[in-house]
Amino acid sequence: EPEVTQTPSHQVTQMGQEVILRCVPISNHLYFYWYRQILGQKVEFLVSFYNNEISEKSEIFDDQFSVERPDGSNFTLKIRSTKLEDSAMYFCASSVHDSLNQPQHFGDGTRLSIL
Amino acid sequence: AQSVTQPDIHITVSEGASLELRCNYSYGATPYLFWYVQSPGQGLQLLLKYFSGDTLVQGIKGFEAEFKRSQSSFNLRKPSVHWSDAAEYFCAVGGILNTDKLIFGTGTRLQVFP
Repeated sequence: EPEVTQTPSHQVTQMGQEVILRCVPISNHLYFYWYRQILGQKVEFLVSFYNNEISEKSEIFDDQFSVERPDGSNFTLKIRSTKLEDSAMYFCASSVHDSLNQPQHFGDGTRLSIL
Repeated sequence: AQSVTQPDIHITVSEGASLELRCNYSYGATPYLFWYVQSPGQGLQLLLKYFSGDTLVQGIKGFEAEFKRSQSSFNLRKPSVHWSDAAEYFCAVGGILNTDKLIFGTGTRLQVFP
């Protein structure tokens, strides 16, 4: 069964550094999402992306964050200048359609640790 | 504001026992409802979903969930738990205000004793 893949599985970065988290969505999916889960807390929506544009973003997704689909397969989340509070598990998800009749499929996540 | 509540942070059951995980949502209309499971070090796997129709939905791994509109609930059940079911379970809602983002509950950690 096709799956969403995320790399790296664990990223350790110094505070203030830029970090790029990578995702390869399922090949025929058109809608892409990033969520994050701070340790011990709930999974929170960050951003949705379709047709090379952000469809919706949460309050968490401030100017330090950006998303890109640089080619036909990758979907990336960039944090420009990381803060300690950015430490979390970041999940990428993809879906065939945004109607929610087609559910979102999640990757295994990237654990981001900011020192 | 829309929210999802999972009142049980941690549940422990014996293998073979029945299981019910609770989920309540706060939203004016009936949203799309989901249960996801997260095994240690893994991503979120969809167990089942409810959109409309029959209020009792069957999912993978022998799980089922029942939507009760009057109680704004979508509880997850399994008649006989296996040790491999030990994981974190998340209830989620979607379709709020015509968006496709998912709103998750805080999760319930299930521990299974032999």
